[in-house]
This record gives sequence, structure tokens and C-alpha cells, in this order.
Amino acid sequence: SYVLTQPPSVSVAPGKTARITCGGNRVGGKSVHWYQQKPGQAPVLVIYDDSDRPSGIPERFSGSNSGNTATLTISRVEAGDEADYYCQVWDNSSGQLYVFGPGTKVTVL
Amino acid sequence: QVQLVESGGGVVQPGRSLRLSCAVSGFMFSDYGIHWVRQAPGKGLEWVAFIWYDGSNEYYADSVKGRVTISRDNSKNTVYLQMNTLRVEDTAVYYCARALWDRYFFDYWGLGALVTVSS
Repeated sequence: SYVLTQPPSVSVAPGKTARITCGGNRVGGKSVHWYQQKPGQAPVLVIYDDSDRPSGIPERFSGSNSGNTATLTISRVEAGDEADYYCQVWDNSSGQLYVFGPGTKVTVL
Repeated sequence: QVQLVESGGGVVQPGRSLRLSCAVSGFMFSDYGIHWVRQAPGKGLEWVAFIWYDGSNEYYADSVKGRVTISRDNSKNTVYLQMNTLRVEDTAVYYCARALWDRYFFDYWGLGALVTVSS
């Protein structure tokens, strides 16, 4: 089955930029989606199709995808951005059609 | 506004069955596929099952195939997840989430229902 990798944690100071990577074999050929999950809450879609933002998501959230790495970038980080972030792709090569990365905990210092 | 509300969670013994429901409102139910995604305590997200907008196709993760059935009643705006022969490792919060019929991401999620499998 297709495997996505993410760093377990990323720490960033307020006002700085956080970059969260999502690695996968030729992931640049797939559409990558990103979810934010705060403790005790349901996930929220923050980026879809590599770089599109749903309505209501701040422009500070952006995404890119090329080669073997997709990246979620959070600019001008705020305390409220502290959360777990998961990448996700669709892959029909195995029974796990919808694959999530293991998640990255973003800590705002 | 868009709402998905799960119900039916609880504590169940290994080997027993449980049925979860996902009641939706605030959007055209028949335009959307509905997924179930679960999250074991302290763990990441795992996709479980998916049913097409019209109920004509279902898909399951290998980890639950043969033990789980997803269904929908478009007249009641509700999706069901029938889980049989439950295992301890099925313990998780189960979320239902919607996806437009031709898209491969989940744009709205419910708050989740906790299923605990324990003797």
C-alpha cells in the first residue's frame, strides 16, 4: 500500500513560518490534501488539491507538491495554529484507497 | 449550515456488533459520497469505508473488509456503519465525513462517535 511520511513534530515561534512536509513515492503526481486537528476536535480541511484553500481558511495557509514531497506552509504563525496536521492522498493501487500521513504536531513556542 | 452528526457509539465486548449512524443536514445529501474515518486513542487517522452518493458502490479498508458494511438511506439523510465481530483494535473515535461525488478529499466532518471494544 502507498505510504506517506511526515515529521512527528515541528516547533515554530509566533509570527514565523512553519513548513510541514509529506513524503511519498512520486507524490507530486497525486493530489495532496491537508487537515488540521486540534485536541478533542474533528479534523478540518485546510488545503485540497495540493494548494487550494477552502473558504474560511486564512491565506496564511498554503501548499505545494512536487517530486516526492508535498509541503504545507503556515505563514505568520499564530498560537491558534497549534494542532496536528495530516496529509492525505487517494491511491487505488491497494485496498487502502484513502491514505493519511502519520501526522505532524505543530507547537507554537 | 453543513452538519454531520454521528451516533450509536458505546462500549461493546469483543466479537459483538454495533451500528453507527451519521445524520446529515444543510446540504444536498444525494450529491455527496460519505466516508467513515476512525482514530484510535492517541493515534492518527485511518480511512474505513466509503459509499457513493447514490449508494451504488461501497469500498472498504482491508482492515475491516468482511466485518463492516456501509449503507445509506437517502430518504432519511443518514449513513450507517454496521460493524460485526468487533476487535479490541477497533476501539476508536469514528468520524463520518462527506466528499463531493468526484472529489477525493473530505470537506466536512462530524464530531465523531467513540467506540470502545473491551471485555
